[in-house]
Amino acid sequence: GAGVSQSPSNKVTEKGKDVELRCDPISGHTALYWYRQRLGQGLEFLIYFQGNSAPDKSGLPSDRFSAERTGESVSTLTIQRTQQEDSAVYLCASSSYPGQGMGEQYFGPGTRLTVT
Amino acid sequence: AQKITQTQPGMFVQEKEAVTLDCTYDTSDQSYGLFWYKQPSSGEMIFLIYQGSYDEQNATEGRYSLNFQKARKSANLVISASQLGDSAMYFCAMTLHGSTLGRLYFGRGTQLTVWP
Repeated sequence: GAGVSQSPSNKVTEKGKDVELRCDPISGHTALYWYRQRLGQGLEFLIYFQGNSAPDKSGLPSDRFSAERTGESVSTLTIQRTQQEDSAVYLCASSSYPGQGMGEQYFGPGTRLTVT
Repeated sequence: AQKITQTQPGMFVQEKEAVTLDCTYDTSDQSYGLFWYKQPSSGEMIFLIYQGSYDEQNATEGRYSLNFQKARKSANLVISASQLGDSAMYFCAMTLHGSTLGRLYFGRGTQLTVWP
């Protein structure tokens, strides 16, 4: 079956512009996560969606970042008024059973964002 | 605050030899899970192995084993019989079985290079 997909794979944008990143999770996965990976760093948690519950936004670095998810389907991460420090790879992951046992997360290939 | 520490920015190993990648973690929670992910130069995150905090046996998956020492809060990854294709960045991660369900806390990674 299909894995987690993300689009675009690469995005170059000018400072100050808005960007929208898309994630298609594995069908049937109720949990969806966004992470950010700066060059040479580990992954930083951004936001978590679980079913129809209120999302956990505790990792969003500023109010320029927002994300939406409709039900258990596609999610979009929006960055407004992009800054150069937003340059990173944005990774999406989905999971079928978070919180107990393994809850393995399956990652997408990421979107490489470059802000010039 | 939860924290994952990987003290080896880079490791080198000869093909067919075993290598240990270090990971220590810090949490006051009693129920948690520990993961290792592999990230090749292509950027995808590949799940390798999982250890639950209440698992009494060390986890093994093929050539990968997790040396779990709970009292020391360490979760080292052992790769036996290294292969050239093992060259990649390796991340240790932790999830807590209670709060932000499934959120992963990542270390900064260890770059493993396998030479012939």
